[in-house]
Amino acid sequence: DGGITQSPKYLFRKEGQNVTLSCEQNLNHDAMYWYRQDPGQGLRLIYYSQIVNDFQKGDIAEGYSVSREKKESFPLTVTSAQKNPTAFYLCASISRERNSPLHFGNGTRLTVT
Amino acid sequence: AQSVAQPEDQVNVAEGNPLTVKCTYSVSGNPYLFWYVQYPNRGLQFLLKYITGDNLVKGSYGFEAEFNKSQTSFHLKKPSALVSDSALYFCAVRDPGAGSYQLTFGKGTKLSVIP
Repeated sequence: DGGITQSPKYLFRKEGQNVTLSCEQNLNHDAMYWYRQDPGQGLRLIYYSQIVNDFQKGDIAEGYSVSREKKESFPLTVTSAQKNPTAFYLCASISRERNSPLHFGNGTRLTVT
Repeated sequence: AQSVAQPEDQVNVAEGNPLTVKCTYSVSGNPYLFWYVQYPNRGLQFLLKYITGDNLVKGSYGFEAEFNKSQTSFHLKKPSALVSDSALYFCAVRDPGAGSYQLTFGKGTKLSVIP
């Protein structure tokens, strides 16, 4: 079955450490997205990529970095510069058809102490 | 710029009663509108979308939504609520005329169906 795999499901880190969240899709989608979800704040866009080797900042990119070396993969690094990294992170992808819905992974819950 | 508002943080409804989750939007052109559902510690699941055509859209799990252009609304409805419908619901909008695939999401509405 096609889908988006995010790993790990839960991640714990000490403050000051960088951490990378994995996102892999086998839907052959060109565009991929990273969202952050905090209680009562909905989804906020961190970064997105519409094609391999290209990506753009979203609304809250500070303290995060991404790469898009392969079509299937869009890892997100949460750096020590992110002031409040504890959150639920969602990866999504979409096909080129304009009326297609976003497909989401099951998320990674990151806790930084 | 596109935006979405979900005016209710929480909606409570008794099992078997009809439910409505409200959504209003703002885009410069004709919108593409979507509803998603999220269960605890899971990703968002697509429920239904409005692109063009019939204003009443039917989706998964018995849900439907009515597009109202004059009121810029896209409320989610179900005739008879189930306890298993309890979840977080997100409305989202895309402006295809803006040339972007990006969705803008509302802040979500928590639906609680009471047995």
